[in-house]
Amino acid sequence: AQSVTQLDSQVPVFEEAPVELRCNYSSSVSVYLFWYVQYPNQGLQLLLKYLSGSTLVKGINGFEAEFNKSQTSFHLRKPSVHISDTAEYFCAVSYPAAGNKLTFGGGTRVLVKP
Amino acid sequence: DTEVTQTPKHLVMGMTNKKSLKCEQHMGHRAMYWYKQKAKKPPELMFVYSYEKLSINESVPSRFSPECPNSSLLNLHLHALQPEDSALYLCASSQTTGGFTEAFFGQGTRLTVV
Repeated sequence: AQSVTQLDSQVPVFEEAPVELRCNYSSSVSVYLFWYVQYPNQGLQLLLKYLSGSTLVKGINGFEAEFNKSQTSFHLRKPSVHISDTAEYFCAVSYPAAGNKLTFGGGTRVLVKP
Repeated sequence: DTEVTQTPKHLVMGMTNKKSLKCEQHMGHRAMYWYKQKAKKPPELMFVYSYEKLSINESVPSRFSPECPNSSLLNLHLHALQPEDSALYLCASSQTTGGFTEAFFGQGTRLTVV
């Protein structure tokens, strides 16, 4: 069965500092990978996705992620965070034959401090 | 228009009530989804509709009854719910159920069962 692990449940970070959120998945077949952000009392918004091709993916709001097939990882980074980046971040996978059924990691809460 | 609109935003209902959640999108998407999200947890898939037909039911109790009247609308009918059903209910849509297509999420309906 597929699974997604987000290694950090909470990440406190100071404003303008870099942040990395770690995501590992388990799969023996090719997957599609996504990062979503959820602001308080909101739905989920797609930050970026990896389908194929270049392993470095750039998304919205200055975020980027790197796909590493050998390590089955898809870590999310931002070089300089803002207060407004305070939110819950979810890594998710789907499989080509699984009907766009997203499996989410447990989430990482990012708290940006001034 | 890249919005998925959910109504109502908040709902309080008794265990003997019948209520419905509504979801609407005008992006021409042919796949629509219901997710349930408990506090501090990731979303969990409940149902998937593809071309207005139910394609996935994740063993959801029959007190939750989905309906897709047309390609733009998705309803979730609620009856005889339990307090543990209190959660954020998220609707999403995507172009198709191909795993590579981005899912757009609504803001959710926060349901409280008393």
